[in-house]
Amino acid sequence: EEHLLESGGGLVQPGGSLRLSCAASGFNFSNFALTWVRQAPGKGLQWVSAISASGNTAYSAESVKGRFTTSRDNSKNTLYLQMDSLRAEDTAVYYCAKDYKTASGDYVGDCWGQGTLVTVSS
Amino acid sequence: QSALTQPASVSASPGQSITISCSGTSGDIGGYKYVSWYQQHPGRAPKLIIYEVTHRPSGISTRFSGSKSGNTASLTISGLQPEDEADYYCSSYSSTITWMFGGGTKLTVL
Repeated sequence: EEHLLESGGGLVQPGGSLRLSCAASGFNFSNFALTWVRQAPGKGLQWVSAISASGNTAYSAESVKGRFTTSRDNSKNTLYLQMDSLRAEDTAVYYCAKDYKTASGDYVGDCWGQGTLVTVSS
Repeated sequence: QSALTQPASVSASPGQSITISCSGTSGDIGGYKYVSWYQQHPGRAPKLIIYEVTHRPSGISTRFSGSKSGNTASLTISGLQPEDEADYYCSSYSSTITWMFGGGTKLTVL
């Protein structure tokens, strides 16, 4: 069974840093692109970043560009999100998702982790 | 403000059918057949229930169906059951952002 497990969330002061991890099991990790999505308390889903299967290409939302870095270690079946210069508005549950490429070429999240809460507050 | 527009809430009784709309533009929903829908129960992770407008992943009930007309996509749930009570999010590929989400719709089964 496919499984994703996020970790690394917690309370951090504004301007601080945090690194999230997403450990995968049950599928061939190096074959799939991966995505980070966040959800502020009581709010909707927001795409944060995505990374290709090889890790050579990563994309980020404008709101986090230059502050967040997405990477992966295919030898450890783990996805990372390095978050620097954190702001109060980054407070959210962060989910990692496995990208399923559809027959027509779309990418959708067919497996999600349970999420990890990041709170940015002084 | 979310780029895709959904109603904040819908409600219906068990056994009835509901439709949730998701409005976008020609740069996202209208320009691609890449619309997906996610179900999220409180405190749980989102779950993919529809992709490519009309396709259901394995294990998803046939009571869930999707459609699209122009810049608006729709999710229909027929034969409502209590366990369908959840938040529903549409998502579309766009030329500017990989996964563009709607603001979400809270479904209440009365």
